[in-house]
Amino acid sequence: QQQVKQSPQSLIVQKGGISIINCAYENTAFDYFPWYQQFPGKGPALLIAIRPDVSEKKEGRFTISFNKSAKQFSLHIMDSQPGDSATYFCAAHVGNTPLVFGKGTRLSVIA
Amino acid sequence: KAGVTQTPRYLIKTRGQQVTLSCSPISGHRSVSWYQQTPGQGLQFLFEYFSETQRNKGNFPGRFSGRQFSNSRSEMNVSTLELGDSALYLCASSLRDSRRELFFGEGSRLTVL
Repeated sequence: QQQVKQSPQSLIVQKGGISIINCAYENTAFDYFPWYQQFPGKGPALLIAIRPDVSEKKEGRFTISFNKSAKQFSLHIMDSQPGDSATYFCAAHVGNTPLVFGKGTRLSVIA
Repeated sequence: KAGVTQTPRYLIKTRGQQVTLSCSPISGHRSVSWYQQTPGQGLQFLFEYFSETQRNKGNFPGRFSGRQFSNSRSEMNVSTLELGDSALYLCASSLRDSRRELFFGEGSRLTVL
């Protein structure tokens, strides 16, 4: 049972464009939703995270939008740059359980 | 501050062999988690250790095992290797009460022939 479904699997965006990655979850008890960024040859690193009591969180060019009623959250990358090319993972967490990750989205930003 | 260190970075084994992977967490981090990363399945949770005790275990066969030492260093072992065990094995550490932010190592890439 996949608790967090992520789409798309891969995404190609022009430099300066907006990248959007979506995730849907099933467990309404989840109370923490992070996004991790992974560059080739490196481990994932925390990018940005949100709790369900807010609908949006912005850090620089990165924004998480959260829709509690739809059980969905998304990552928006504004003014996408080639340096943003990486694999992005959404995740969800509650209590003493481990982080549950989506299957990842490979983003390629082309000039 | 040094990050999470995993050794070896790359290894090749044949079916039926066993392998041991090592992880040194960030200094002061007492929780260590292991994940298996494959292209089709993303990051799948293997197990988590805290103070030498397994706190959570993922849905993997008993061939996968782990342990944590008193200095928080951790090892995972896979016995009777199968072709499907080829993957990147990631170790992540976290503070006791900040398990939500995981600090990952660069992984150990295992190839089973």
